[in-house]
Amino acid sequence: GAVVSQHPSWVICKSGTSVKIECRSLDFQATTMFWYRQFPKQSLMLMATSNEGSKATYEQGVEKDKFLINHASLTLSTLTVTSAHPEDSSFYICSARRIGDNNEQFFGPGTRLTVL
Amino acid sequence: GENVEQHPSTLSVQEGDSAVIKCTYSDSASNYFPWYKQELGKGPQLIIDIRSNVGEKKDQRIAVTLNKTAKHFSLHITETQPEDSAVYFCAASSYAGNMLTFGGGTRLMVKP
Repeated sequence: GAVVSQHPSWVICKSGTSVKIECRSLDFQATTMFWYRQFPKQSLMLMATSNEGSKATYEQGVEKDKFLINHASLTLSTLTVTSAHPEDSSFYICSARRIGDNNEQFFGPGTRLTVL
Repeated sequence: GENVEQHPSTLSVQEGDSAVIKCTYSDSASNYFPWYKQELGKGPQLIIDIRSNVGEKKDQRIAVTLNKTAKHFSLHITETQPEDSAVYFCAASSYAGNMLTFGGGTRLMVKP
């Protein structure tokens, strides 16, 4: 149990285009989902916290107009990278917290974004 | 906010030896300390966690110890195997904050 999927697993796009990444909790409901970014050989950096039915909370330095997050249901959150640029190329990872759980997060497999 | 430091950044051991990775945290309100294993190109996988009401937890070859007074916790892997080679991350969070703060990661290499 507690499986989180991401789609796509990798994507290559041209500079200036937008890319949407989906995060789904497959066998549980998640009130809260988290989006992380990981550059090569670095740790995970939290970008934003997404709560179902409300606006996401962004970490300092993360542009909310560039990284649009939607958490429309208890099993789906999406991250849209708008007007992507090469510096947005990274590994994007989501995680989800089960309703009633304290602290524990279940991570997705990640999405590799490459912007040309 | 919380700050988590992790050492060493790289660790090379011989197969069968033990590996120890240490983390320190700054926020005394933190009460949940998970450890993740991340293989190349994959998301982090939870391998063990500990809460602040426990000092030690063990799961087969993996154990975690927590010293709340000193604000540090450690991961111990015994009888290491080549498939243990990966990057390991520690993290900390509190009930109030909910969010995880990650350490910088340790690249573990187990030589056959």
